[in-house]
Amino acid sequence: AQKITQTQPGMFVQEKEAVTLDCTYDTSDQSYGLFWYKQPSSGEMIFLIYQGSYDEQNATEGRYSLNFQKARKSANLVISASQLGDSAMYFCAMWGTGRRALTFGSGTRLQVQP
Amino acid sequence: DGGITQSPKYLFRKEGQNVTLSCEQNLNHDAMYWYRQDPGQGLRLIYYSQIVNDFQKGDIAEGYSVSREKKESFPLTVTSAQKNPTAFYLCASSPASGGLKETQYFGPGTRLLVL
Repeated sequence: AQKITQTQPGMFVQEKEAVTLDCTYDTSDQSYGLFWYKQPSSGEMIFLIYQGSYDEQNATEGRYSLNFQKARKSANLVISASQLGDSAMYFCAMWGTGRRALTFGSGTRLQVQP
Repeated sequence: DGGITQSPKYLFRKEGQNVTLSCEQNLNHDAMYWYRQDPGQGLRLIYYSQIVNDFQKGDIAEGYSVSREKKESFPLTVTSAQKNPTAFYLCASSPASGGLKETQYFGPGTRLLVL
């Protein structure tokens, strides 16, 4: 079974500052993929970034980077230079070789303050 | 433009009534999924399908049914057996590439309310 844990229900950050959203995971799969999605108040789910379990480099996509620590089973999302439009729910998710679907965490609500 | 459409945006269900949520994609994806989201919660998997005419139960399939007769379509029926159906329902699709980077793309969602 796979499990994703996001321990921060809510986070505040000042505009233009960096913020780290925590994600830990548990799986018996040797190979897996880790994803982060953003959900604005409109409800749509927007894919942000992906990290494969065998990728040696941390993934980066623009202002988003994924701090992947395999031994600690963590995949934290780092948002640099926060913008007001970054205010949303953020979900960490995992894809494994067992079940062919994503398993999601409970999410973190990020609020960017001017 | 390619994408996923869900209809209706809002749906009202009466006691004892079955209702069907529509999900259509024109991304030529083989795999499709249904998730349920309760307020302030994450997404829970209801059903998923990797190929036409085949689907698997997710974590909370009781009270729901699906069909996959066409590649583009994956409708979800919320039956009267689902006693607490009020939630936000999200449909997604992915290429079913066989790799780990199986990025799922989501529709705009349907909000189901019980009268």
